[in-house]
Amino acid sequence: DTEVTQTPKHLVMGMTNKKSLKCEQHMGHRAMYWYKQKAKKPPELMFVYSYEKLSINESVPSRFSPECPNSSLLNLHLHALQPEDSALYLCASSQVKGRAFFGQGTRLTVV
Amino acid sequence: QQQVKQSPQSLIVQKGGISIINCAYENTAFDYFPWYQQFPGKGPALLIAIRPDVSEKKEGRFTISFNKSAKQFSLHIMDSQPGDSATYFCAATASGSARQLTFGSGTQLTVLP
Repeated sequence: DTEVTQTPKHLVMGMTNKKSLKCEQHMGHRAMYWYKQKAKKPPELMFVYSYEKLSINESVPSRFSPECPNSSLLNLHLHALQPEDSALYLCASSQVKGRAFFGQGTRLTVV
Repeated sequence: QQQVKQSPQSLIVQKGGISIINCAYENTAFDYFPWYQQFPGKGPALLIAIRPDVSEKKEGRFTISFNKSAKQFSLHIMDSQPGDSATYFCAATASGSARQLTFGSGTQLTVLP
């Protein structure tokens, strides 16, 4: 099983809303990631969790708040987003040796 | 030093032809080089990967060639098919830093029927 499951697949939210993106993997991977991807661009790293601890935060605005409840789950809490935050949000997980697997993403539209 | 440079930006190939995408890196700490294939609206899918201790890796129609001294690697897609039409990203990662991926800018491949 090399699956990373993300929910929801699509999300439309207003600028005053609070919503959460969810990610789950059962491959025993101890590193999990959030990426943001704009059209025709490569994924851009936002956060890295290693052994359930936040190890990298790529200067992401505080309106994005990650959470890793356990080794299989990763959440991204969203609050007071801007229209420019509309993008494909990707979750990934990897083993120590580097094989990273991505979920199908959540297409987020901020209105 | 963290960059991975990818070319071409777009590529059009006839069915049955060979597609070649090139990447170059600067950071000698990189020790794992995956390629990802991404269809519109989907997440990137790991296609094939190589470590710098080998010069070539082949999986079906996909081959990575790796030149450690030149710090370059490339993806060759043999017998290209219309179903291969997608965006391809090369990437690199180093041990430590929880294995974060440094991506190339992507190549939009179109295979004509």
